[in-house]
Amino acid sequence: SQQGEEDPQALSIQEGENATMNCSYKTSINNLQWYRQNSGRGLVHLILIRSNEREKHSGRLRVTLDTSKKSSSLLITASRAADTASYFCATGNSGYSTLTFGKGTMLLVSP
Amino acid sequence: NAGVTQTPKFQVLKTGQSMTLQCAQDMNHNSMYWYRQDPGMGLRLIYYSASEGTTDKGEVPNGYNVSRLNKREFSLRLESAAPSQTSVYFCASSEAGGAKNIQYFGAGTRLSVL
Repeated sequence: SQQGEEDPQALSIQEGENATMNCSYKTSINNLQWYRQNSGRGLVHLILIRSNEREKHSGRLRVTLDTSKKSSSLLITASRAADTASYFCATGNSGYSTLTFGKGTMLLVSP
Repeated sequence: NAGVTQTPKFQVLKTGQSMTLQCAQDMNHNSMYWYRQDPGMGLRLIYYSASEGTTDKGEVPNGYNVSRLNKREFSLRLESAAPSQTSVYFCASSEAGGAKNIQYFGAGTRLSVL
């Protein structure tokens, strides 16, 4: 069964607005990653946050991790139409070489 | 730099037919993975190979076999295709596990089983 669950399932915003997606998971993790998938394409890694980190930034992306609540959020600031995609969180467990993906959030950014 | 290359991109099979999905990576990665993606289900791991010479079952291995041919190549075989195997299949690779488990994905193979 999937470890991560993203919320909301779908999000529709206007260009220039911020988009926030959340991910909850069930067991302890070593790291949590976010991936983007454009329609009809493979997934692309966006950012990794380790279990001992609370916040990480990369360009317009900000990721937070709260291990006590077993949750993470991905914030995309000043959204662009090109940000339209599905976003997945994936959790990695210590000692394992696999990731467990959530079902994703579909983001639509309208011009 | 090609990254992860999957072939074919599209395939239509009849129930009971067999086929092999090919995957190759040129990043000298140790670990390779096969996933399937179905609407509303996210990605589910079928099989993975943590290193050359090893393979392990993932969440949904039934009906599939894999071969880690060498460090570059990891193939997925459907011996007797069933309509339930209609899906989009993704191959991925990573340097290693743990915090080095950033995965790089191919473009996918869209498979329909009639």
